[in-house]
Amino acid sequence: GQSLEQPSEVTAVEGAIVQINCTYQTSGFYGLSWYQQHDGGAPTFLSYNALDGLEETGRFSSFLSRSDSYGYLLLQELQMKDSASYFCAVTDSNYQLIWGAGTKLIIKP
Amino acid sequence: GAVVSQHPSWVICKSGTSVKIECRSLDFQATTMFWYRQFPKQSLMLMATSNEGSKATYEQGVEKDKFLINHASLTLSTLTVTSAHPEDSSFYICSVWFIGSVSTDTQYFGPGTRLTVL
Repeated sequence: GQSLEQPSEVTAVEGAIVQINCTYQTSGFYGLSWYQQHDGGAPTFLSYNALDGLEETGRFSSFLSRSDSYGYLLLQELQMKDSASYFCAVTDSNYQLIWGAGTKLIIKP
Repeated sequence: GAVVSQHPSWVICKSGTSVKIECRSLDFQATTMFWYRQFPKQSLMLMATSNEGSKATYEQGVEKDKFLINHASLTLSTLTVTSAHPEDSSFYICSVWFIGSVSTDTQYFGPGTRLTVL
């Protein structure tokens, strides 16, 4: 079957750096996406990696290693507003998004 | 700006009634839209793929007669929850593939519709 694994919860301190890992096992792979979802809201697209390497967008970066079926989202200079759930998702060969269960990021002052 | 809109953002209805949720792609055409459902503290569950001009493709376990999908135009897909019951209370979210400079193989989501069935 298809599956994505990510930690259920991560806790960090305001101003720090946190990395959320994601490993996947899917039928086909076009790319790895990351989404942010605040309580009560819909997912917001953060980043997308189709090729190996690091993509940087402001305080957020995303990394992909296709040979390891692994990626991570790196959040720097954490702010309280970054407290949310973060989902990794793989676009499979059917052009569907296969979702991880989500990682709840808790930020402490 | 927003790529996808949904209406209504929230709805409360009595058990047994039907509820229609609209999903619109803004400023671009979407031949394919997706409908998801999300229960509290859970991940998104794909319900169906909405195809413009043809029948929707439903995921296993999703009743097509209960969740009616109509994709009548390239910018609008509707999800109708028929004879809604309390267990249908959930957060319904649509998404579209966005062909643009950012990415070609991922989805953008509408703001979601929170359905509460009494």
